[in-house]
Amino acid sequence: NAGVTQTPKFQVLKTGQSMTLQCAQDMNHNSMYWYRQDPGMGLRLIYYSASEGTTDKGEVPNGYNVSRLNKREFSLRLESAAPSQTSVYFCASINGITRLNTEAFFGQGTRLTVV
Amino acid sequence: RKEVEQDPGPFNVPEGATVAFNCTYSNSASQSFFWYRQDCRKEPKLLMSVYSSGNEDGRFTAQLNRASQYISLLIRDSKLSDSATYLCVVRGGGGSYIPTFGRGTSLIVHP
Repeated sequence: NAGVTQTPKFQVLKTGQSMTLQCAQDMNHNSMYWYRQDPGMGLRLIYYSASEGTTDKGEVPNGYNVSRLNKREFSLRLESAAPSQTSVYFCASINGITRLNTEAFFGQGTRLTVV
Repeated sequence: RKEVEQDPGPFNVPEGATVAFNCTYSNSASQSFFWYRQDCRKEPKLLMSVYSSGNEDGRFTAQLNRASQYISLLIRDSKLSDSATYLCVVRGGGGSYIPTFGRGTSLIVHP
């Protein structure tokens, strides 16, 4: 089982460039999340999608946009990359946002460097 | 104040030692609690859920103290393979179902 698949795994961007991080899950989960992880900061929520067709801002949404393309896919877009967006990005999915005891499954992460 | 607080460590212990981590949360209405493990440069993975009555999984014991708003993780007979970062996760409370992560506690088990 693939679980949650993120692409790319590594990326180097120049300041001002744009890119889209892709995430797909094959577990038929309703809710999907994008987090960023920086040293000493833990995982911080960028955006989430409680169900297909809905998206909401998290703790650190500035500089990002998202698209819930269908139930499987949730993409994160950086329109104009900045060095402050250098981070490790994780996509996660959960089976039902209101089912509080369910496990979050993570993709392998995207290591993004903006120079 | 961050919603979920953890001592970042590192906790540096010899093999065979017993080590305990605490995690405090600020939202008294929080409903679900978890410990995740994250290996270096890898994604977080569920270690165990934390139940109100406390629960055990082999060498790992998790406890919840709602009155004081903290959860704990006890690791007995530490192995080299236990070296990782342990993330405290809280969900629910005030209509929020989003998993909120602590910054993690680093554990290093040495021979």
